Amino acid sequence: EAQVTQNPRYLITVTGKKLTVTCSQNMNHEYMSWYRQDPGLGLRQIYYSMNVEVTDKGDVPEGYKVSRKEKRNFPLILESPSPNQTSLYFCASSLRGRKNTEAFFGQGTRLTVV
Amino acid sequence: AQKITQTQPGMFVQEKEAVTLDCTYDTSDPSYGLFWYKQPSSGEMIFLIYQGSYDQQNATEGRYSLNFQKARKSANLVISASQLGDSAMYFCAMREGSWSGYSTLTFGKGTMLLVSP
Repeated sequence: EAQVTQNPRYLITVTGKKLTVTCSQNMNHEYMSWYRQDPGLGLRQIYYSMNVEVTDKGDVPEGYKVSRKEKRNFPLILESPSPNQTSLYFCASSLRGRKNTEAFFGQGTRLTVV
Repeated sequence: AQKITQTQPGMFVQEKEAVTLDCTYDTSDPSYGLFWYKQPSSGEMIFLIYQGSYDQQNATEGRYSLNFQKARKSANLVISASQLGDSAMYFCAMREGSWSGYSTLTFGKGTMLLVSP
């Protein structure tokens, strides 16, 4: 089954404790991205990757890191989480990120930083 | 400036009625794609429908249709014969063309639709 898998689904952590949210897709998609969703703000892109070892900042990259060492995986790293990073996070992938390609989303990760 | 504007924070509709969710967009690119996604209370993002800027016909997918008015830069989602299961948050999104061939999917803030019996 074609899917994007994120883990964990729910995470509560403390300020400053490094964490990684994993994302894996099995569709051989080139383009992957991370979004955060906050009430009243919709989804905002954090980082994206056009292919292995090619990543770039989205609209809200501060406080986040990513890596793309393999085509299927695109982890999101919070080196020192802060309460303002409490949010719902989505990983998405698409075939090439061309204008006519839909994005497939993971199930979401609800992160709470206390 | 916002690229995608959804002016209706919330909408109510009765079961079996049709409802239109508004979306306007801003781009100077002649080549772009417009998407609608549904997010039920369980949280997942479900792709509903796509419209390309050069498509001559309005897109339709089952009970979903897209009222695409290019000159007005609007791409409203029409849901016919609403069902209780249509209650969800709906997001309009756009990908513009780019020199690299890769472009970001930019979202609006969403419209919460509630369908009542």
